[in-house]
Amino acid sequence: AQKVTQAQTEISVVEKEDVTLDCVYETRDTTYYLFWYKQPPSGELVFLIRRNSFDEQNEISGRYSWNFQKSTSSFNFTITASQVVDSAVYFCALSEAVYSGGGADGLTFGKGTHLIIQP
Amino acid sequence: NAGVTQTPKFQVLKTGQSMTLQCAQDMNHEYMSWYRQDPGMGLRLIHYSVGAGITDQGEVPNGYNVSRSTTEDFPLRLLSAAPSQTSVYFCASSYRQPNTGELFFGEGSRLTVL
Repeated sequence: AQKVTQAQTEISVVEKEDVTLDCVYETRDTTYYLFWYKQPPSGELVFLIRRNSFDEQNEISGRYSWNFQKSTSSFNFTITASQVVDSAVYFCALSEAVYSGGGADGLTFGKGTHLIIQP
Repeated sequence: NAGVTQTPKFQVLKTGQSMTLQCAQDMNHEYMSWYRQDPGMGLRLIHYSVGAGITDQGEVPNGYNVSRSTTEDFPLRLLSAAPSQTSVYFCASSYRQPNTGELFFGEGSRLTVL
């Protein structure tokens, strides 16, 4: 069974600090997909990134970067020079490949990390 | 662009009452799903559908029914509400299976069962 662990329940930093959100996953499949979603205080869920298991390249998008390491089953998310607007709950999620029986079942979410950026 | 529309946004029920949460998408997505979000639990899949006429259970299906008569609509029915169903419910859709791309979420429906 697939599982996603976000061990950090809440993180509080001062604005402009860098912060890393950890995500560790478990899956029996060799083909799978990893996601990050943001849930701001307004409550909607905002897609940030999707990564497949064959692509271990790190990705950078502005102040956001993601580090995918299959060896440690981790897909960590770093915000550089954090801003108050980054305050939100961040969810890591996993989906297994369709042909191996997963995928159509949807995403398995971690419990989320509440990030607080203090001015 | 409407995207994924959920109604109602807020609802209070008494134990034993029934209700339907509506979900509609205008993106011609094949895949639709319902999640519930509880404090400290993340999002958990209730039911999903890979196309009109096809539905299946997710992780926490008990107490909920779904149907998919059209591509656009995927209602979630609570036949006899229980306090344990107090939660925020999200409908989500994607073009095909969710691992192929972005899962688009509705704004959520907050349900309280007294």
